[in-house]
Amino acid sequence: GQQVMQIPQYQHVQEGEDFTTYCNSSTTLSNIQWYKQRPGGHPVFLIQLVKSGEVKKQKRLTFQFGEAKKNSSLHITATQTTDVGTYFCAGNSGGYQKVTFGTGTKLQVIP
Amino acid sequence: SQTIHQWPATLVQPVGSPLSLECTVEGTSNPNLYWYRQAAGRGLQLLFYSVGIGQISSEVPQNLSASRPQDRQFILSSKKLLLSDSGFYLCAWSGTAYNEQFFGPGTRLTVL
Repeated sequence: GQQVMQIPQYQHVQEGEDFTTYCNSSTTLSNIQWYKQRPGGHPVFLIQLVKSGEVKKQKRLTFQFGEAKKNSSLHITATQTTDVGTYFCAGNSGGYQKVTFGTGTKLQVIP
Repeated sequence: SQTIHQWPATLVQPVGSPLSLECTVEGTSNPNLYWYRQAAGRGLQLLFYSVGIGQISSEVPQNLSASRPQDRQFILSSKKLLLSDSGFYLCAWSGTAYNEQFFGPGTRLTVL
């Protein structure tokens, strides 16, 4: 079955440093989604990428979809304590009514 | 706007007891509905999903079952809970072919 891996599993950064998490799928994806889960909370949908090579920005967050549509990245510029949480990618292979979630990257920001 | 409800928020149950968790969605019609489980500090495991009333797809064999008696209602059940059933149970809905997941607040289940 489809597998979606994320690296790193954990990341500790000083406040103000940049952060990147990478997402890799074993199969080609029709689209990829990113979610954020704050400690003790539920995952919240952030964004979706559909086109090969697509780049989208949300304030300090930059999302990229790979040319082969098998990988993606999320980059946060100048992290803040409000960025703390676990970031999940989720891939949709198309033709299925479900997505496969990545293993997640837990971000800790040190003030 | 769409809203998803789950209850209860927390639940402590003895081993061998039954379980019923309910999820309802407001503000949309014919959504796809999903049940996930998340063990402490772990990722999201898809348990069941439904594309319509009475239609259930099971992703993981286990002692849980799901039902969708109404368009916007999704129920997760068990006849006898196991210790390994402890976790954070999340219901989600999706309304497009891209299957973006919109999660409810979740139920934290502890089986003792």
